[in-house]
Amino acid sequence: QKEVEQDPGPLSVPEGAIVSLNCTYSNSAFQYFMWYRQYSRKGPELLMYTYSSGNKEDGRFTAQVDKSSKYISLFIRDSQPSDSATYLCAMAKDNYGQNFVFGPGTRLSVLP
Amino acid sequence: KAGVTQTPRYLIKTRGQQVTLSCSPISGHRSVSWYQQTPGQGLQFLFEYFSETQRNKGNFPGRFSGRQFSNSRSEMNVSTLELGDSALYLCASSHRSLSTDTQYFGPGTRLTVL
Repeated sequence: QKEVEQDPGPLSVPEGAIVSLNCTYSNSAFQYFMWYRQYSRKGPELLMYTYSSGNKEDGRFTAQVDKSSKYISLFIRDSQPSDSATYLCAMAKDNYGQNFVFGPGTRLSVLP
Repeated sequence: KAGVTQTPRYLIKTRGQQVTLSCSPISGHRSVSWYQQTPGQGLQFLFEYFSETQRNKGNFPGRFSGRQFSNSRSEMNVSTLELGDSALYLCASSHRSLSTDTQYFGPGTRLTVL
């Protein structure tokens, strides 16, 4: 079993839909959870950063962490074609990221 | 503020050769991390340099090495290239050592090994 699991997709949704992206993990030592967006031929861009369990909202994006279930989610409201990208979850044991682990990424297409 | 730059953007090499990739961090950033991204393994941490010292290292063989210069620019070297080294190599910079919340990635160098 991989340390971080993520459905690779592709996931296609119509413009305006609510998108739910998810990751599960096995290592209970992870405390820091990140979501990155990666456009084609570009490096990943940090979208959301959360510590421990709970929710964090930033504009159309909401990140949720459920440490008891070892499950994290990223919700995108009112999705736009510009949201079409690969979304990577990542997690670390501490803020200095010595054991960064990334999910394989989910490819999202938002259709106009 | 200029972003993280990586050169070259694309590279084709043959097995057995060696390659050097370059990364220039955002001005003022002292930490540079290197990652390998492949379709099968995803994004994997290679190593991190902070103020010219290697601070952290991932699980890669010794053929992968790096260094950082006094101006924070970093180079990564891969010796005796193998077909499996074909990947996108990304570097990321941040103020603090491997700071998860302020890490900025470059566009990557696409290495193809034939």
